[in-house]
Amino acid sequence: DIQMTQSPSTLSASVGDRVTITCRASQTIYRWLAWYQQKPGKAPKLLIYKASSLESGVPSRFSGSGSGTEFNLTISSLQPDDFATYYCQQYNSFSTFGGGTKVDIK
Amino acid sequence: QVQLVESGGGVVQPGTSRRLSCVASGFTFSTYAMHWVRQAPGKGLEWVALISNDGSNKYYADSVKGRISISRDNSKNTLSLHMNSLRLEDTAVYYCARDKVIINPSYYFDYWGQGALVTVSS
Repeated sequence: DIQMTQSPSTLSASVGDRVTITCRASQTIYRWLAWYQQKPGKAPKLLIYKASSLESGVPSRFSGSGSGTEFNLTISSLQPDDFATYYCQQYNSFSTFGGGTKVDIK
Repeated sequence: QVQLVESGGGVVQPGTSRRLSCVASGFTFSTYAMHWVRQAPGKGLEWVALISNDGSNKYYADSVKGRISISRDNSKNTLSLHMNSLRLEDTAVYYCARDKVIINPSYYFDYWGQGALVTVSS
């Protein structure tokens, strides 16, 4: 099974900050990686797929990068609506999610 | 617009069964693979099961294999999850989710339901 490790598990930031979340796979997943945003009590929302493709309707301040085993999600200028938990997901072999990164207010 | 609405959640005793349903609307249900994903309280996301668009292929996470069955009725735009021999660790919000890619499952999800909470407790 492919394991996904996210870091950090919690990130404190301010509005306007540039934020980067890292996701590492236990073996190569090429570019088969997605990122989701989840707010309390809500379903996850797809942000990025195939490592760097922006889902329709997602603001351009979100971007994804990486390949192989290391990937990043970057928010270029954090907005109030972006305080949430973010999950990476590999879909090279079935599906595995990372443990999540909570972005909270500094 | 695409909508997925789950039902069937509730409190159940260990060892019993439960069936969840998900009614889809706003898209051609029969052309997309569908998934169930669960989230234990305060925990992360766990993929549970996939069913292909025509129902001919089904895949399960090792943690539920043999106890959970996924099915669909394309004539009723309905996805189901049949859970047997429920354990305390099956307590979770269960989401139905649409595969992003038409016909061929990609295992990532562009639309999710609101979730159905199943609590396994004695």
